[in-house]
Amino acid sequence: DVVLTQTPVSLSVTLGDQASISCRSSQSLEYSDGYTYLEWYLQKPGQSPQLLIYEVSNRFSGVPDRFIGSGSGTDFTLKISRVEPEDLGVYYCFQATHDPPTFGGGTKLELK
Amino acid sequence: EVQLVESGGGLVQPGRSMKLSCAASGFTFSNYGMAWVRQAPTKGLEWVATISYDGSSTYYRDSVKGRFTISRDNAKSTLYLQMNSLRSEDTATYYCTRTFGYFDYWGQGVMVTVSS
Repeated sequence: DVVLTQTPVSLSVTLGDQASISCRSSQSLEYSDGYTYLEWYLQKPGQSPQLLIYEVSNRFSGVPDRFIGSGSGTDFTLKISRVEPEDLGVYYCFQATHDPPTFGGGTKLELK
Repeated sequence: EVQLVESGGGLVQPGRSMKLSCAASGFTFSNYGMAWVRQAPTKGLEWVATISYDGSSTYYRDSVKGRFTISRDNAKSTLYLQMNSLRSEDTATYYCTRTFGYFDYWGQGVMVTVSS
């Protein structure tokens, strides 16, 4: 199975700061069709996960433009500029390129 | 508004069965693949199974193959997960999700506890 390693495991920020989360894959996530099926989800405290980013860098409907996904191959990054209170929670990367689909271990974003 | 509402969870003994349901509304259910994702207490997310829009194709993680069955009734806009031979490691919150490649909408989750 593809292993997605997220770093850091925990990230303490001040509101208004930028936050950066890394997701490294044990295999390239570029599919034979040329697309890279790497997604980012946020699980806020006590809530279900919600989709933020799909295909590395595409923001889902309603996701603010302060969320920026980037990367290729095996290295991916989610940047959150100007962190706001509603951004706190656990972030997961997820790959659907290889079977079985797998999630990263999660990165908890909390206030300093 | 897309809504996914899971039901059917609870406490079950090891080796027994349980069936989860997910009632969908707010979209044309028969046009979308659906999936189950679970989360053990204090743990991360884990994909469980996916079914195609018409039910003709199903996919499972290895640890549930042969024990779990994902199915759907497009006339009732409902997704199911039949879980047999349950184990303690199946204890988790189970989320129903709509899939369009990515999981774009999620239910609120239903808790399944496997314990004697």
